[in-house]
Amino acid sequence: KAGVTQTPRYLIKTRGQQVTLSCSPISGHRSVSWYQQTPGQGLQFLFEYFSETQRNKGNFPGRFSGRQFSNSRSEMNVSTLELGDSALYLCASSAGPNSGNTIYFGEGSWLTVV
Amino acid sequence: AQSVTQLDSHVSVSEGTPVLLRCNYSSSYSPSLFWYVQHPNKGLQLLLKYTSAATLVKGINGFEAEFKKSETSFHLTKPSAHMSDAAEYFCVVSGNYGGATNKLIFGTGTLLAVQP
Repeated sequence: KAGVTQTPRYLIKTRGQQVTLSCSPISGHRSVSWYQQTPGQGLQFLFEYFSETQRNKGNFPGRFSGRQFSNSRSEMNVSTLELGDSALYLCASSAGPNSGNTIYFGEGSWLTVV
Repeated sequence: AQSVTQLDSHVSVSEGTPVLLRCNYSSSYSPSLFWYVQHPNKGLQLLLKYTSAATLVKGINGFEAEFKKSETSFHLTKPSAHMSDAAEYFCVVSGNYGGATNKLIFGTGTLLAVQP
């Protein structure tokens, strides 16, 4: 079956703009989480959704937001982009929010802010 | 709070020699631990996971890791390195103690180079 699908794969935005990234989890998976990966900060947890509810949020400013739809697909939005938001954004899915569940990652969306 | 420390930022081995990537964890309870690999410009692939069953965990591509509670370690090993193993490896702990979350806490990564 298809893996975690993220779109777009690459995008370039200008400071001050906003961006929306999309994630389709593996079929049947209801839990989606998002991570930011940068050379300086490494991999950091953004948020986690299950059944359209945010269960956890990382230590990011309010410019970062997300949501999950009834079909488990998820989007994250970053408003008022800053240069420091340039990163690889990774989406992950699993069957549910149990810490023993296997978590599968997509290939990510590369965001460059200029 | 949980955390993981990867003791080496870079490891270089020759093809055919053993691989050892070291990871220590900090947790007040029995954690869920994972190793993920990331090839250049790719997402993360799960190598193996420990969830309080057998302490020696076998993963894909010949990798294995041993959970040692007394040493709070979860080192990743492979008997014989292959050129295709060159990648970045992340030791990861689950964010809550057996709780209902998929929040993962990542180590800083170890870049493995394999020399011909």
